[in-house]
Amino acid sequence: QSALTQPPSASGSPGQSVTISCTGTSSDVGGYNYVSWYQQHPGKAPKLMISEVTKRPSGVPDRFSGSKSGNTASLTVSGLQAEDEADYYCSSYAGSDNYVLFGGGTKLTVL
Amino acid sequence: QVQVVESGGGVVQPGRSLRLSCAASGFTFSSYGMHWVRQAPGKGLEWMAVIWSDGNNRYYADSLKGRLTISRDNSKNTVYLQMYSLRGEDTALYYCARDVGTRAFDFWGQGTLVTVSS
Repeated sequence: QSALTQPPSASGSPGQSVTISCTGTSSDVGGYNYVSWYQQHPGKAPKLMISEVTKRPSGVPDRFSGSKSGNTASLTVSGLQAEDEADYYCSSYAGSDNYVLFGGGTKLTVL
Repeated sequence: QVQVVESGGGVVQPGRSLRLSCAASGFTFSSYGMHWVRQAPGKGLEWMAVIWSDGNNRYYADSLKGRLTISRDNSKNTVYLQMYSLRGEDTALYYCARDVGTRAFDFWGQGTLVTVSS
């Protein structure tokens, strides 16, 4: 099973909004509401930012939001801040055969 | 506070086996599924395996089936990953992570580095 597809890079200026896409298939992203997003700063472990497509864990700023349409999920970061510069990964439940798939990651640059 | 701490990494020769451990604390370990995820140098995240809370169900990434065994000891709050027939492409940082219940990983360790080299 191929990884989910993310753009390799995205960028925006402070205060702007940026959206990162995550495209899968009807067997993963489109078939379940178990899409998650992770933020990873260099040399650090990933941090859960969004679960179940839209849910923000406690402590995650409401500038981060998730959505899904068909086989594509999206993470939107509003009011970009310098500390948002990081790698972002999506993941999706993919059934009992593959269980969890990750996207290839998107490097977000705050200009 | 919730903590997961991986150990067991190091330099291993190609073809050999290795067992990684992940010690958990600060939560009711026996109530949570646990995953292993790896990240090769400069690359993205790769999901490897999961074991459910009671240890009765385990799932593996297709690409790694046959070369992994995940297990857990709820009396020791520890999850293990046994890897076989290691190859150069298995060189990576190996993370243990807790499943929040919806196939999302809410707590991660800092990882243990495995280097496969002769």
